[in-house]
Amino acid sequence: RKEVEQDPGPFNVPEGATVAFNCTYSNSASQSFFWYRQDCRKEPKLLMSVYSSGNEDGRFTAQLNRASQYISLLIRDSKLSDSATYLCVVEGTGANNLFFGTGTRLTVIP
Amino acid sequence: EAQVTQNPRYLITVTGKKLTVTCSQNMNHEYMSWYRQDPGLGLRQIYYSMNVEVTDKGDVPEGYKVSRKEKRNFPLILESPSPNQTSLYFCASSLGPRHYEQYFGPGTRLTVT
Repeated sequence: RKEVEQDPGPFNVPEGATVAFNCTYSNSASQSFFWYRQDCRKEPKLLMSVYSSGNEDGRFTAQLNRASQYISLLIRDSKLSDSATYLCVVEGTGANNLFFGTGTRLTVIP
Repeated sequence: EAQVTQNPRYLITVTGKKLTVTCSQNMNHEYMSWYRQDPGLGLRQIYYSMNVEVTDKGDVPEGYKVSRKEKRNFPLILESPSPNQTSLYFCASSLGPRHYEQYFGPGTRLTVT
């Protein structure tokens, strides 16, 4: 089983839509979770950390479900500029590793 | 401006010709790492460094070397590149390995023929 699994998409949604991505992880001991955003041919950049109680940043909401070992990212009122690949990142089993999902590609259509 | 820089950005080379990809950060971060990104496989860690003169293998270290002689620099060395090392490479730095934001360089696209 992969450390982190994501639906690769692509998700094609109209402007203004709400879209949600899920990500499952295998290490039940993981304590740190993140969502990164990667634009085409660019480097990944931190979108938001995911806290146990869930957290919101503007139109973006991240949730953690420890019992089912998944994290989610909800984007409300999608903008064209939200088009990107979203990477789920989870603390690994080793002493110093982070594990990156393969990413979910989102395209917001005018 | 806080940043991670990598050079070269693009490189086409031939099998067996040694090459070095440089990485430098200006944020005084102790932790630095190298990743490769391949379609369908995501980002995989090659090597990491907790501090100067402290380096360790990541998930896919075979065929690569690194060094950390200065805090700001973390070069990636391919002694004898092979076609299966054709990939997009990212250097990253952060305050620590797991709980902190990773700052990535712009990437180096390497093609080995």
